[in-house]
Amino acid sequence: ETGVTQTPRHLVMGMTNKKSLKCEQHLGHNAMYWYKQSAKKPLELMFVYNFKEQTENNSVPSRFSPECPNSSHLFLHLHTLQPEDSALYLCASSLLSLGVQETQYFGPGTRLLVL
Amino acid sequence: GDSVTQMEGPVTLSEEAFLTINCTYTATGYPSLFWYVQYPGEGLQLLLKATKADDKGSNKGFEATYRKETTSFHLEKGSVQVSDSAVYFCALGPDKLIFGTGTRLQVFP
Repeated sequence: ETGVTQTPRHLVMGMTNKKSLKCEQHLGHNAMYWYKQSAKKPLELMFVYNFKEQTENNSVPSRFSPECPNSSHLFLHLHTLQPEDSALYLCASSLLSLGVQETQYFGPGTRLLVL
Repeated sequence: GDSVTQMEGPVTLSEEAFLTINCTYTATGYPSLFWYVQYPGEGLQLLLKATKADDKGSNKGFEATYRKETTSFHLEKGSVQVSDSAVYFCALGPDKLIFGTGTRLQVFP
């Protein structure tokens, strides 16, 4: 399998549930990203990891907890979410992310609905 | 702070029509500029990019020129196809991409 994959593609959860989103990249990249895409709003960068280390947290609420066990895998752990957290969550990767003009490659996203 | 402004959509065109999607930006320094495309049910794909003033990015018949004097990066295509129907995002970088809200393009036969 090539590129950036995300699972699950769709997720419905209650506000008291705990779930995790998974992202995997097969491109040999060292930087990975989580974005939130809501209707009528620009993509919002949530987290950036470089070589497994978190280098950016864009003021994301603590109910979103990222984990990057290695350069190929990125998780987003979800707990006690709110209905306004319903959105498309996109994962991306790039070779590096340190002010270098690198292309980001995106996965297909996980469509999340919080009830 | 840095920002990107795109024209509101949807843009509705007939096949073979000329396409322009406007994008202007506000940035300090010398950003790189990108157009990404999102087809239904898929993630974003890089369509083209330009890294300095007067550069022209091009791909699949789409073009955009980095205009520093007008702080613009308008996307153009001479003859659109039904398969070009998608959402198009303008973005500036290079390290922390800042996206516009996206413009939906609908092309009818």
